[in-house]
Amino acid sequence: QQQVKQSPQSLIVQKGGISIINCAYENTAFDYFPWYQQFPGKGPALLIAIRPDVSEKKEGRFTISFNKSAKQFSLHIMDSQPGDSATYFCAARKANAGNMLTFGGGTRLMVKP
Amino acid sequence: EPEVTQTPSHQVTQMGQEVILRCVPISNHLYFYWYRQILGQKVEFLVSFYNNEISEKSEIFDDQFSVERPDGSNFTLKIRSTKLEDSAMYFCASSGQGAVNEQFFGPGTRLTVL
Repeated sequence: QQQVKQSPQSLIVQKGGISIINCAYENTAFDYFPWYQQFPGKGPALLIAIRPDVSEKKEGRFTISFNKSAKQFSLHIMDSQPGDSATYFCAARKANAGNMLTFGGGTRLMVKP
Repeated sequence: EPEVTQTPSHQVTQMGQEVILRCVPISNHLYFYWYRQILGQKVEFLVSFYNNEISEKSEIFDDQFSVERPDGSNFTLKIRSTKLEDSAMYFCASSGQGAVNEQFFGPGTRLTVL
């Protein structure tokens, strides 16, 4: 019940295309859902985050869509660029649990020029 | 821009040896965390720390692990007797009072246990 399931494991998109990464969770105690971007040899960097009382959040080319009833959320990267090539992790925070983040398995995104 | 720093970047140790991984969180942050990432796998939570005590720990964080904030700037993770399966990338993270949820990660320490 603590798991966050992420798909796909890898994704290849042409430059200018839309990258879509999906996550699903079971635990309704999760109350905060961030996305992290990780480049090789670096730590995860916070990209964008959403709370379950909001259905969509957009920051620049990055949008999170959140479906509370389905317990699913997704990251959309519009106008994908080669510099977006990285591993993306969704995560979920459980309320009253020391801000513990449970991460999805990661998606390796490659944007072809 | 303030950032979390970690030392060393790479630590090689023999099985059974003790290691201490060091982190300097962002200066005005009050919440501190350790995560690990075994090569090619997902990031896993180890422990969170606030007000000089552990606020949450995972099943991975057994008696071989301990954390400490020895002074006003450092946050350390000690593994008492390393095992081969402790080989992983260890990330320190911190978050501030005003934005508790926003955890900022350091670059990691790669621990190799031989």
